[in-house]
Amino acid sequence: GENVEQHPSTLSVQEGDSAVIKCTYSDSASNYFPWYKQELGKGPQLIIDIRSNVGEKKDQRIAVTLNKTAKHFSLHITETQPEDSAVYFCAASNTGRRALTFGSGTRLQVQP
Amino acid sequence: NAGVTQTPKFRVLKTGQSMTLLCAQDMNHEYMYWYRQDPGMGLRLIHYSVGEGTTAKGEVPDGYNVSRLKKQNFLLGLESAAPSQTSVYFCAGGTSGEDTQYFGPGTRLTVL
Repeated sequence: GENVEQHPSTLSVQEGDSAVIKCTYSDSASNYFPWYKQELGKGPQLIIDIRSNVGEKKDQRIAVTLNKTAKHFSLHITETQPEDSAVYFCAASNTGRRALTFGSGTRLQVQP
Repeated sequence: NAGVTQTPKFRVLKTGQSMTLLCAQDMNHEYMYWYRQDPGMGLRLIHYSVGEGTTAKGEVPDGYNVSRLKKQNFLLGLESAAPSQTSVYFCAGGTSGEDTQYFGPGTRLTVL
């Protein structure tokens, strides 16, 4: 089955700096890669996703890149703000499997 | 729309007791999922359903049963709770035309 590895497990940045979180996946059939943000005591919220026919996607301060050959994808957050502090999860799935396989999460702390 | 809701929010059980977690959605999702979240392990799929009256096993199904008698509800049952089932449980929903999954707020379960 699919295996998703996520690094780093914790990340601390100064407000205004950029943050990068990286994930690798094992199943070449995976074609959908979402990123979720989870705040304390809440469920995961989708912040951005990318499909395998696209190499990069951007939404304001958030961007995701995908390298299908290397089987890795990354989340980039620019101009970080204290409200970006949360746990971020990457995941992978394919149309046939439907269910998401999650990475182990990255705790991002943005220092004011 | 309330989205995806979960009942209860918190529960404490003794070993051997049984309980049912309820997930309800008003977003007309065909697909519904139950995940568990443990520290440092991300979210893992327990069971899922691709439509009313259908269920299937996920990655960690042992000790759990599910039912989808109505499209809007997905029930997760623990027949004889064990301390290893102490976790936070998340329900999610999705539609057949999309890959996106929308998560509920979670149920924190402690088994003593």
